[in-house]
Formats: sequence, structure tokens, C-alpha cells
Amino acid sequence: SQTIHQWPATLVQPVGSPLSLECTVEGTSNPNLYWYRQAAGRGLQLLFYSVGIGQISSEVPQNLSASRPQDRQFILSSKKLLLSDSGFYLCAWSVSSLNTEAFFGQGTRLTVV
Amino acid sequence: ELKVEQNPLFLSMQEGKNYTIYCNYSTTSDRLYWYRQDPGKSLESLFVLLSNGAVKQEGRLMASLDTKARLSTLHITAAVHDLSATYFCAVEKRGNYQLIWGAGTKLIIKP
Repeated sequence: SQTIHQWPATLVQPVGSPLSLECTVEGTSNPNLYWYRQAAGRGLQLLFYSVGIGQISSEVPQNLSASRPQDRQFILSSKKLLLSDSGFYLCAWSVSSLNTEAFFGQGTRLTVV
Repeated sequence: ELKVEQNPLFLSMQEGKNYTIYCNYSTTSDRLYWYRQDPGKSLESLFVLLSNGAVKQEGRLMASLDTKARLSTLHITAAVHDLSATYFCAVEKRGNYQLIWGAGTKLIIKP
């Protein structure tokens, strides 16, 4: 069966510090991968998605970036965090673009102080 | 542009009652999903609705899809406290196969 791992679960970082969140998927190959952000009490905002290694599409201009160095690994990064980057970050995968049912990791709660 | 609206955004109800959450979307789509999120937790897939007239049921939850009306409903029967959560609908966007999310319905069921 497929599983998705996301870490860390919580993170407190000072403004201006770098960020790296990692997500890996097991039990499937060539998944579509997604990074979402959820502000407190709000819906989901798609940040990045990837249909293959090295293929990243950005939905929202910001100081975040994403990379997919391996088939089942997706990384969210920032060189300098802003207060507004605080939120709940969720990694998700789907089988393909033709089957968009998304399966989510446990999330990372990021607080920028 | 595909827009997804859920209502109500907040619902407080008593155990044993029935209620319906609505998900409207603005342009044609082929797939609609319902998810559940417990406080502080991630999202769990509940239902996948693929065609007009589709109905799925799991326990006290039943989801349906009317593609002509661009409307999906999530019906709760004889609510129990354990169903307290935030429920999201997500609609697949034709062309790029991304999901467009509703704002979520926070459901509180009081014993």
C-alpha cells in the first residue's frame, strides 16, 4: 500500500531563516506531488505541484520554492522566511493527472516568529 | 475560472439530527471529492464522485453529485459527536487536473 511521510510535524523558525520541508511517498511510482498551505481556519491554497522529476509548477508567487530531486521526494524551501509564511503545510500525492484524488501527509505546522 | 463555494461555513447541531452541507461550483467538472479534517490534523479522503447522479454512502454520511446543477451535497444522518470535523469539497479543474477547494464547513455536533 502507498504511504506518504512528511516532516517535521512542527517547526518554529525566526524571520529571515531558511526553510526545508520534506515529503516522500512510498509504494507508488511517478506520482503527482503537491504542496498546499492552510492558514488557520481557512481552506487549502495550492503552492506547487509536480508531475515528474524536476518538473515544478508554481501557483502562487512568493518567497517559497519547491524541488523534486527524486521520483517520490518533494521538498519545499525558502531562503528567508517571512511572518506571513506561518501556516499548516500539507504535502499530497495523486496517482496521475487522470486520477486526481489526493492523499495527504500529516502536515507541518510552521510558526515564524 | 472555476470557483467552489461551500455552505454553510459553520454548523452547530445536536446529536441525532440530520443536516446537509452544500458544495456549488461554477464551471463544468468531471470529478468531485469530499474530505474530512479533524482539528490540527491532515485531510482524509471520504468520497470520490465521478458522474452525474453518483451517490456514495459511508456510515452516517452520504454524498451525491448533480453535474447539471453543479452541486454536490454531503448529508449527515442522525449525527453523532464523532462526526465533528471540518469537511471540504474539492472539484477537479478541467484541463490541468488540479483540485479547486471549497473553504470548508466546520461541523460541531453537541452531545
